[in-house]
Amino acid sequence: GQSLEQPSEVTAVEGAIVQINCTYQTSGFYGLSWYQQHDGGAPTFLSYNALDGLEETGRFSSFLSRSDSYGYLLLQELQMKDSASYFCAVRVGSTDSWGKFQFGAGTQVVVTP
Amino acid sequence: NAGVTQTPKFQVLKTGQSMTLQCAQDMNHEYMSWYRQDPGMGLRLIHYSVGAGITDQGEVPNGYNVSRSTTEDFPLRLLSAAPSQTSVYFCASRPVYGTGELFFGEGSRLTVL
Repeated sequence: GQSLEQPSEVTAVEGAIVQINCTYQTSGFYGLSWYQQHDGGAPTFLSYNALDGLEETGRFSSFLSRSDSYGYLLLQELQMKDSASYFCAVRVGSTDSWGKFQFGAGTQVVVTP
Repeated sequence: NAGVTQTPKFQVLKTGQSMTLQCAQDMNHEYMSWYRQDPGMGLRLIHYSVGAGITDQGEVPNGYNVSRSTTEDFPLRLLSAAPSQTSVYFCASRPVYGTGELFFGEGSRLTVL
């Protein structure tokens, strides 16, 4: 089966940088996604890595190493509104067009003043 | 911009009752899926579909039934509700040639007494 591991909670102050690691064990891997979810809300997409390397989107960056089955989400210049749960999700399947998405348990990020 | 619409948003059932959670999307996405989210366990895939007439099981399919008669709709049926099915349910979709982005509905909160 598939398994994903990420830390359960991270606390940081406003303006700091936080890195959330995700390690996975899976077969038929196509890519790694990251989602943000505020309390009571729906998950919203942040980024997707299919190839090794760093993807940058504003204050958020995501990294993937396929050989290490590892990725991370980097949150820079933390703001209070970044307090939320962050999920990594692997896209797995047998063909490139399809695949299903399986999620980690999530990392609660707490930003303090 | 409707996106992914789930109904109902809240539902209380008694053990043994049946019900259907509705999911509709207006983005012509081939891929649709259902997740349940329980505290501390992230999102777990129940069933998914890659097009009308095609469905497959996810990680936790027992007690749930799905069908896909149109591209737009992907209902989730609980045949005989149990307290263990108390959860928040999310429907998500994506286009077949999309990347790692799943588009989520706002969720349906189900309580089984």
